[in-house]
Amino acid sequence: AQSVAQPEDQVNVAEGNPLTVKCTYSVSGNPYLFWYVQYPNRGLQFLLKYITGDNLVKGSYGFEAEFNKSQTSFHLKKPSALVSDSALYFCAVRDPRRGGGYQKVTFGTGTKLQVIP
Amino acid sequence: KAGVTQTPRYLIKTRGQQVTLSCSPISGHRSVSWYQQTPGQGLQFLFEYFSETQRNKGNFPGRFSGRQFSNSRSEMNVSTLELGDSALYLCASSLAGSGFQETQYFGPGTRLLVL
Repeated sequence: AQSVAQPEDQVNVAEGNPLTVKCTYSVSGNPYLFWYVQYPNRGLQFLLKYITGDNLVKGSYGFEAEFNKSQTSFHLKKPSALVSDSALYFCAVRDPRRGGGYQKVTFGTGTKLQVIP
Repeated sequence: KAGVTQTPRYLIKTRGQQVTLSCSPISGHRSVSWYQQTPGQGLQFLFEYFSETQRNKGNFPGRFSGRQFSNSRSEMNVSTLELGDSALYLCASSLAGSGFQETQYFGPGTRLLVL
């Protein structure tokens, strides 16, 4: 069974410092990986995705993520955190192979990022 | 361009009732996906529609159903509501094809409370 783990419920970082939000996954085949962000009262927003190709993926708002197949990780990073980055971040994985007609999509439990001024 | 809209934004129902939620995708988008978000279970995929056909389905009971109309608007229905159905229901649209290879744009959600 596929799974996604976000080992940190909350990450605190000072404004201007680099940030990392961790995500590891478990899936049988080659995964599709995604990061989403949820701001209070603003719904969910797509940040970036990895389908194939370069292991370093660049996304919205200066975020990037590195796909590491050997470590089965897809950590979200940003070189310099902003207070406005404070939000809930979700990692998601999709197994492109279907089983029994069901789409296998799994979200992590979310990591709350708090950027301290 | 208008974003994804969901109606109603808030809803209160009692156990045993049924509810219908609506989602209007971004103009030109043909794929609509639905998700359930709860504090305990997190974000869970419900189903995805494309060109009026259900393409993918998550592991939810048959009480949860949906449909998509020719104008790409989608509805989700939950019958015989249970307390555990209280959640934020999110809709996302994407341009075409398999929604999970493309950028998905989410609506603000419908918050359902079952009493």
